[in-house]
Amino acid sequence: NAGVTQTPKFRVLKTGQSMTLLCAQDMNHEYMYWYRQDPGMGLRLIHYSVGEGTTAKGEVPDGYNVSRLKKQNFLLGLESAAPSQTSVYFCASSKGLAGVWETQYFGPGTRLLVL
Amino acid sequence: AQSVSQHNHHVILSEAASLELGCNYSYGGTVNLFWYVQYPGQHLQLLLKYFSGDPLVKGIKGFEAEFIKSKFSFNLRKPSVQWSDTAEYFCAVCQGGKLIFGQGTELSVKP
Repeated sequence: NAGVTQTPKFRVLKTGQSMTLLCAQDMNHEYMYWYRQDPGMGLRLIHYSVGEGTTAKGEVPDGYNVSRLKKQNFLLGLESAAPSQTSVYFCASSKGLAGVWETQYFGPGTRLLVL
Repeated sequence: AQSVSQHNHHVILSEAASLELGCNYSYGGTVNLFWYVQYPGQHLQLLLKYFSGDPLVKGIKGFEAEFIKSKFSFNLRKPSVQWSDTAEYFCAVCQGGKLIFGQGTELSVKP
C-alpha cells in the first residue's frame, strides 16, 4: 500500500514551457487535492476533485489545469510556466468530506523551479 | 471566509523544554481541526485531529492539543521536546471538505 505518490520529484522548467504533474493514490479515496507550498504562506489549495470526472477550483487556480480521468489519478498541468509558479506542489487524498473521512493523506511533493 | 492564524513563525527551544504552538481560526461554526507536521525534506504527516468529544486530543509522539471553542483556538503542546521534533508544524481547519492551513511554525530544537 503505497498511499499517495507523486511524479516527478523535482523538475526545472523554462518560462513558457508546459508540464504535467501526476498524483496517484491506491486507497480508493474519492477526494483528491493539489496544493502549493510557499515559504511563510503555508499550503494553498489549487484545485480539487470530489470524484472521477469532476474538478473544482481552489484558492489559487490561475495558471493551472487539472484532470481526473481515473479515480486513482489526479493530474496537475501548467500550460505556460511562469517564475511565480516556482514552488513545492503537494497532492493529497481523502475518503470523504465528513468526520474522520476528512483526514487528508499527503504525497511526498514535487519541487518545481521555473527559470 | 475561514482563516487560520499561527502566531509563532519560528520557535527555538532547548531539548526537554515545554512547547506550546498557538493556532486560532475565524469560523464560529462546527469545525474539524488538524495539526500536521513536516519533517525536513519530507511530506506532511498527520499529528492529531479533533472532530468532536473530548476537547483534549492526544496525538503521536507525545503531542496533544486542546480545542477551546470560546477562544477559537486549537493550541499544540508537548511537555518535553526532543531534537527529533525539529520540523515545521501546520494547523488546519476543514470546512466543506477543504483544508485551510495556517502559515506554519518552524520549530528548531537545540540538542
